[in-house]
Amino acid sequence: ILNVEQSPQSLHVQEGDSTNFTCSFPSSNFYALHWYRWETAKSPEALFVMTLNGDEKKKGRISATLNTKEGYSYLYIKGSQPEDSATYLCAFNVWNFNKFYFGSGTKLNVKP
Amino acid sequence: DAGVTQSPTHLIKTRGQQVTLRCSPKSGHDTVSWYQQALGQGPQFIFQYYEEEERQRGNFPDRFSGHQFPNYSSELNVNALLLGDSALYLCASSLGGVGDTQYFGPGTRLTVL
Repeated sequence: ILNVEQSPQSLHVQEGDSTNFTCSFPSSNFYALHWYRWETAKSPEALFVMTLNGDEKKKGRISATLNTKEGYSYLYIKGSQPEDSATYLCAFNVWNFNKFYFGSGTKLNVKP
Repeated sequence: DAGVTQSPTHLIKTRGQQVTLRCSPKSGHDTVSWYQQALGQGPQFIFQYYEEEERQRGNFPDRFSGHQFPNYSSELNVNALLLGDSALYLCASSLGGVGDTQYFGPGTRLTVL
């Protein structure tokens, strides 16, 4: 069983604050790291997929970095808005297996 | 373009019964994966179907079985339901390559009484 750890478990911030979360994964046999945003009662939405050590991806105010050698990824949200409130999940693949190993998520609540 | 759809949205069953959940993949996708999300946990991989065959399987008992149809839609069947099978069941579709993004449906909430 491959463990994916996400921290913190939950986060409460004020509108306008910047925030970041961590996803830790086993570094051996790494192939890809995925981030999803999951709003209540909706489908998880794919944010990023990263494969190379040092990858950085950006989508609007959200960005992510990847360190495959030490086995972690950071997700950053700049200037959080109430609509950013959601659970953020990370998942990774190992080489030659298409199944995703998920963390348990970071639940973000942004107060107006 | 319709995304991944799942039916039903909610389902209540009693212990020992059998249940079938359905999934239609995103247009153009040929691979369907099923995940179980228990309360407070991340989604756990059940199995994946490609070309109407089970390609990979997670650590779930044989009570969990599936099927993929020629139009790539899929079913998840669970026999002899246990209380512990109560969870959100998510379906995801993709093009099937390792590392390809999986696109998820909204899930089916199963409650076993």
